[in-house]
Amino acid sequence: EAQVTQNPRYLITVTGKKLTVTCSQNMNHEYMSWYRQDPGLGLRQIYYSMNVEVTDKGDVPEGYKVSRKEKRNFPLILESPSPNQTSLYFCASSLLPGETYEQYFGPGTRLTVT
Amino acid sequence: GNSVTQMEGPVTLSEEAFLTINCTYTATGYPSLFWYVQYPGEGLQLLLKATKADDKGSNKGFEATYRKETTSFHLEKGSVQVSDSAVYFCALIGPGGGADGLTFGKGTHLIIQP
Repeated sequence: EAQVTQNPRYLITVTGKKLTVTCSQNMNHEYMSWYRQDPGLGLRQIYYSMNVEVTDKGDVPEGYKVSRKEKRNFPLILESPSPNQTSLYFCASSLLPGETYEQYFGPGTRLTVT
Repeated sequence: GNSVTQMEGPVTLSEEAFLTINCTYTATGYPSLFWYVQYPGEGLQLLLKATKADDKGSNKGFEATYRKETTSFHLEKGSVQVSDSAVYFCALIGPGGGADGLTFGKGTHLIIQP
């Protein structure tokens, strides 16, 4: 089954404790991205990747890192989480960027930073 | 920059009522327009899209027409069902490929009562 998977689905952590949210897709997609969803703000892009070893900042990259060492994986790294990073995070992928190719979204990771 | 404005809700309707969710956008040139749906506890799914002016996207009884003159992409359905209860997001990708991903509205929470 074609899908985007994220782990963990739920995470409660404390300020400053490094964490990684994994994202994996099995569709051989070149384009992957991370969004955060906050009430009243909708979804905002954090980082995106056009292909292996090619990443770029989205609208809200501060406090986040990403890597793309393999085509299928695109982990989101919070080196020193803070309470303002409490949010619902979505990973997405598409064959290529742009309007022609549908973006597939993962089920989301709900992160709470205390 | 690009932006999307949509009514936030919640919008509460009775089953079989007519639905309209308004969406307007600001973008340079002619973007591609999308409606995504998020069911409780799930990621986003593409509902429909339109890539040029006067195009009509349709799926599962939902429709939206790309109106360049009013920069709008309103979502409509003639007779809603309880199963349509979800959060609906209007989104766009700018012309030129959209490597930086989708720009989303804040989302509209739709509640359908039996």
